[in-house]
Amino acid sequence: QQQVKQSPQSLIVQKGGISIINCAYENTAFDYFPWYQQFPGKGPALLIAIRPDVSEKKEGRFTISFNKSAKQFSLHIMDSQPGDSATYFCAASKTTAGNKLTFGGGTRVLVKP
Amino acid sequence: DGGITQSPKYLFRKEGQNVTLSCEQNLNHDAMYWYRQDPGQGLRLIYYSQIVNDFQKGDIAEGYSVSREKKESFPLTVTSAQKNPTAFYLCASKYGTGSTMCEKLFFGSGTQLSVL
Repeated sequence: QQQVKQSPQSLIVQKGGISIINCAYENTAFDYFPWYQQFPGKGPALLIAIRPDVSEKKEGRFTISFNKSAKQFSLHIMDSQPGDSATYFCAASKTTAGNKLTFGGGTRVLVKP
Repeated sequence: DGGITQSPKYLFRKEGQNVTLSCEQNLNHDAMYWYRQDPGQGLRLIYYSQIVNDFQKGDIAEGYSVSREKKESFPLTVTSAQKNPTAFYLCASKYGTGSTMCEKLFFGSGTQLSVL
């Protein structure tokens, strides 16, 4: 049973455009929602994370929007650059359960110059 | 440099053979994890360990085994019982509980396992 559903599977955006990736979760006990960025042949790296007590968090060109009632959260990449081309994973966990992250299926983003 | 080292980068397994993937960290992290990544799919948890000499099964533990004899090491053995072992394997670690930094997972660069 997939507890975190991510869409779209792939995304092509022009340089300077906005990339938007969406995730939906089922477990209302989740209280930590990170996004990881992965380049080919490498391990993922934490990009940005949010907790359900805030509805938005911004770090540079990356913003997480969080909708607790809809059980959805999204990643917005503003002014997308070719160097942002990577696979992005959303994830969720319940911090009292050993922080076992449940990952979404991933979104491959390609930013065209 | 502090980090997580996975070896080898590429590994080939013959039919009926057990193979062991190495994961070493010098971050002084308490918890360590093994994930499996298949093409176009997310990461699935195989095993995790929150403390030395203790580990728990993740969502897809069948056909795998681990040990945690030292804080810095968490090797994964892919046994012959794992019938579809071809995948990219990722090791990760994090601080223990009680720290504001405890949620961030640090990943190694992965091991690509293929079946001959």
